[in-house]
Amino acid sequence: AAGVIQSPRHLIKEKRETATLKCYPIPRHDTVYWYQQGPGQDPQFLISFYEKMQSDKGSIPDRFSAQQFSDYHSELNMSSLELGDSALYFCASSLGPMNTEAFFGQGTRLTVV
Amino acid sequence: GENVEQHPSTLSVQEGDSAVIKCTYSDSASNYFPWYKQELGKGPQLIIDIRSNVGEKKDQRIAVTLNKTAKHFSLHITETQPEDSAVYFCAASGGYGGSQGNLIFGKGTKLSVKP
Repeated sequence: AAGVIQSPRHLIKEKRETATLKCYPIPRHDTVYWYQQGPGQDPQFLISFYEKMQSDKGSIPDRFSAQQFSDYHSELNMSSLELGDSALYFCASSLGPMNTEAFFGQGTRLTVV
Repeated sequence: GENVEQHPSTLSVQEGDSAVIKCTYSDSASNYFPWYKQELGKGPQLIIDIRSNVGEKKDQRIAVTLNKTAKHFSLHITETQPEDSAVYFCAASGGYGGSQGNLIFGKGTKLSVKP
């Protein structure tokens, strides 16, 4: 079965640079979530989209923005990168935004140097 | 907002033994409780979930129980195998404060199954 696809898998950026992470949800899934996971930490919710509209917002810095496109894929844009942004970034998708099974991608490991 | 506590943080068992991981949540409106298994360098994998209208759910060697009154839910793994070794996260969603679909995770339990 098709899973959530994230790209790139690894990304190295310098401080103050920008980065764009992409997420392709499971076919027919209309809801996308972004999570950030630091080393040894639990995933922290950043932002979610349902039917191309932002549905919820968590601890996402103002330097980050995201959107969901007409084909339901989503992009997380990160600007003015800081060392503390180094983490695993996961995208998850579900069918509907209300308490349905959410399936995670393999993540993008972002390293800011 | 919702807060999820998970215990223990590490758990070591012998192959074939059972493992139990416990979580409590704070928001009585939360109504969906999934469990994820995360192996090193991989994304969290949904292994079982339970909704607030159900007290127990079982899938082969894994089971989850929910006590809404106590705001407590647990993961039970029987006949553990070395491949069960991973970090397990409990989560909750559906509560007030905007967490309609997004998951609030516990801090995780690192399970080690010794052959």
